[in-house]
Amino acid sequence: DVKVTQSSRYLVKRTGEKVFLECVQDMDHENMFWYRQDPGLGLRLIYFSYDVKMKEKGDIPEGYSVSREKKERFSLILESASTNQTSMYLCASSSQIGSGTYEQYFGPGTRLTVT
Amino acid sequence: GENVEQHPSTLSVQEGDSAVIKCTYSDSASNYFPWYKQELGKRPQLIIDIRSNVGEKKDQRIAVTLNKTAKHFSLHITETQPEDSAVYFCAARTYAGGTSYGKLTFGQGTILTVHP
Repeated sequence: DVKVTQSSRYLVKRTGEKVFLECVQDMDHENMFWYRQDPGLGLRLIYFSYDVKMKEKGDIPEGYSVSREKKERFSLILESASTNQTSMYLCASSSQIGSGTYEQYFGPGTRLTVT
Repeated sequence: GENVEQHPSTLSVQEGDSAVIKCTYSDSASNYFPWYKQELGKRPQLIIDIRSNVGEKKDQRIAVTLNKTAKHFSLHITETQPEDSAVYFCAARTYAGGTSYGKLTFGQGTILTVHP
């Protein structure tokens, strides 16, 4: 059974703080993704990674960076948190193309509040 | 880039009725269209998907149809039950610009409420 975990369910940070959100998957998946979920906007892709140390910008990368030093772990970094980054953050992972499935498995989410 | 529009944003039905959610996409290169269900307080989970070489796919009470020419696809739920109440997201898979790696673009979501 695929398991994707995120370091925190709830997080409260102050404006200007550096914030780290961590995601770990245990299925040896090559691809990992970070989304933010806001009501009425669906899930929007921030960054994704298809291999260790590789990253690609998603649709809303501004204000975020990522790190993937190990295959199972993908970190989202808010260099200087702002109130407009208050949101639900979801991590996901999937197998590489050619494996027969494109299904993304999601983590439980981190509700981040920036005050 | 890809743009996915989903309608309606909310849908309320009586138990036993059918529910239909529609999505349109903009990138003709999109080749995979999944639907995710997110129950309150839980993570999104894949419920059904369809590839671009198929027009329709069924799995018990749910079905998805795809019209590539019109660039739209729909989720159909028959004999709805209260446990079908959730937020449903459609998505389209395209290739990230300049790479051969696929990414999903999601619709805005539909809140489905099934009344007993």
